[in-house]
Amino acid sequence: SQTIHQWPATLVQPVGSPLSLECTVEGTSNPNLYWYRQAAGRGLQLLFYSVGIGQISSEVPQNLSASRPQDRQFILSSKKLLLSDSGFYLCAWQARPSGANVLTFGAGSRLTVL
Amino acid sequence: AQSVTQLDSQVPVFEEAPVELRCNYSSSVSVYLFWYVQYPNQGLQLLLKYLSGSTLVKGINGFEAEFNKSQTSFHLRKPSVHISDTAEYFCAVGTSGTYKYIFGTGTRLKVLA
Repeated sequence: SQTIHQWPATLVQPVGSPLSLECTVEGTSNPNLYWYRQAAGRGLQLLFYSVGIGQISSEVPQNLSASRPQDRQFILSSKKLLLSDSGFYLCAWQARPSGANVLTFGAGSRLTVL
Repeated sequence: AQSVTQLDSQVPVFEEAPVELRCNYSSSVSVYLFWYVQYPNQGLQLLLKYLSGSTLVKGINGFEAEFNKSQTSFHLRKPSVHISDTAEYFCAVGTSGTYKYIFGTGTRLKVLA
């Protein structure tokens, strides 16, 4: 069966520090991968998605970047965090072809920027 | 472009009472529809999905939803809620050939004793 792992689960970082959140998927190959952010009371905002190694699409211009160095690994990064980067970050995967296949989410990473 | 509207940000309901969480969507093409549940500090879990066929879809935990194409709605229902159903519920729409789901802003269901 497929599983998705996200870490760290909780992170408290000062403004201006770097960020790295990691997501890995097991039990599948060539998945679509997604990073969402959930800010309090604002639903889910799609940040990045990837349909293959090295292929990243950005949905919202911001202080963050994403990379997919391996087929089942998706990393969310920032060089300098802002207060507004605080939130709950969710990684998700989807089998191909997309559309009819559900998104399966990780447990999330809660980031607090102070 | 697709959009999803969840009309209620919060819904309080007493235990063992029925509940309906509303979801309306907008799309010019055929859609796939989903409901997800999120318990505090957890990821989203799929409740049910509509891809095609029967418009009444049954999911986990006794939830069901009905796809109404003419009203562009996909409301979620449960005949009798439990305290453990307290969570946030998200409606989402996807379409064939796209990589993105569009999520609603969520409805916070609070079940009262």
